[in-house]
Formats: sequence, C-alpha cells, structure tokens
Amino acid sequence: RKEVEQDPGPFNVPEGATVAFNCTYSNSASQSFFWYRQDCRKEPKLLMSVYSSGNEDGRFTAQLNRASQYISLLIRDSKLSDSATYLCVVNLYGQNFVFGPGTRLSVLP
Amino acid sequence: NAGVTQTPKFQVLKTGQSMTLQCAQDMNHEYMSWYRQDPGMGLRLIHYSVGAGITDQGEVPNGYNVSRSTTEDFPLRLLSAAPSQTSVYFCASSYGRDGNEQFFGPGTRLTVL
Repeated sequence: RKEVEQDPGPFNVPEGATVAFNCTYSNSASQSFFWYRQDCRKEPKLLMSVYSSGNEDGRFTAQLNRASQYISLLIRDSKLSDSATYLCVVNLYGQNFVFGPGTRLSVLP
Repeated sequence: NAGVTQTPKFQVLKTGQSMTLQCAQDMNHEYMSWYRQDPGMGLRLIHYSVGAGITDQGEVPNGYNVSRSTTEDFPLRLLSAAPSQTSVYFCASSYGRDGNEQFFGPGTRLTVL
C-alpha cells in the first residue's frame, strides 16, 4: 500500500462549482499535513497546512481525520485559476515528507 | 530575495556521463532537500540536509551524491547517469523547525539517453 494515496482525477468541474479531494495516509505516526498546489511544469507551492480542528482560507477548507487517516480539501466557488494539480503531503518527522501523486483539477468556463 | 534557484533548467545527458545540478537559497534556511518527480508518482526524497556539513539519505539515494559546505548551496551530483534517472528534479528549503513549509526551486528537467 502506498504511503499517501490520492485519486489522480482529472476532476473536470464548471466555474462556480464546489469540489472536494480526499487523501489517505498509511502511517498513523504522521505528525503534520499539508496541501500543495502544482501548476503544469512548475514547482509545488504550499496551499495550506491542515490542522486537527480543520481550517479555512478563503474558498479553501481543509480537514483532518486522524482516526480514519484521511485528509480532505474543499474548494468552493471554483475559479478558472484553480486549475492545477493538488498534492497531499504528510510529514512523518524531521524532513521526512511523503508526497501523494496529486489530483488534477480542471475548472471549465 | 530570489528564493530557491536551480540550474540548469534543462539538461540532456548520455548514459554514463556525470553532472552536478545546482541549488541555492538566499533565505538562510537550515533545511534543504532534493526530490525527483516522475509521471504518476509523488515527489520522492533523494537526499536532504539539516545544516551545513550534515547530509542524509532519503527514499531514493542510489546514484546520487550531495554535499553541504555552506548554508546557501546544496548541489546534487549524478555519478554515472542512467536512463532511469530521467526525471524532473526539485530542490527545496525550509526553516529549521521540523515539518515546516518547504519552498521549492523551479526544477531541472533531465533526460538521460
């Protein structure tokens, strides 16, 4: 079983739609969790950290369920500029970050 | 600040050649890492460093060497390139605290023929 799993997509949604991505991780000792965004042929950039109580940043909401070992990302009112690949990242300890393969999102006009 | 810079942006090598991928950061970050990204797979950690003079292996270290003589620079050396090393290579840096946000360079696209 892969350490971090994501549905690769693509998710094709119209502008204004709400879309949700899930990510599961296998190591229950994982310490911290993140969503990164990667545009085509560009480097990953941090979208948001994921906290146990859940957190929101504008149109983006992240949730963590430690008992079930999954992380979610909800995007409301999708914009064309949200089209990208979203990477789920889990930190085990120190610099030991494990990246999921990413979920590709295309927001259509 | 330039952030994290990488050179070259593109490189084509023949099997058996060696080369060094350069990475530099101007944010005074203690931690630096090298990843490779292949289609359909997440980024995989090659080597990392928690400070000048300290390096350690990641998930896929074979065929690569690193050194960290200064805080700013973290070069990655391919000793004898193989087609399996065709990939996109990203360098990243972060603040000293474990698990902090990583800042990535723009990547080097390497093809080994």
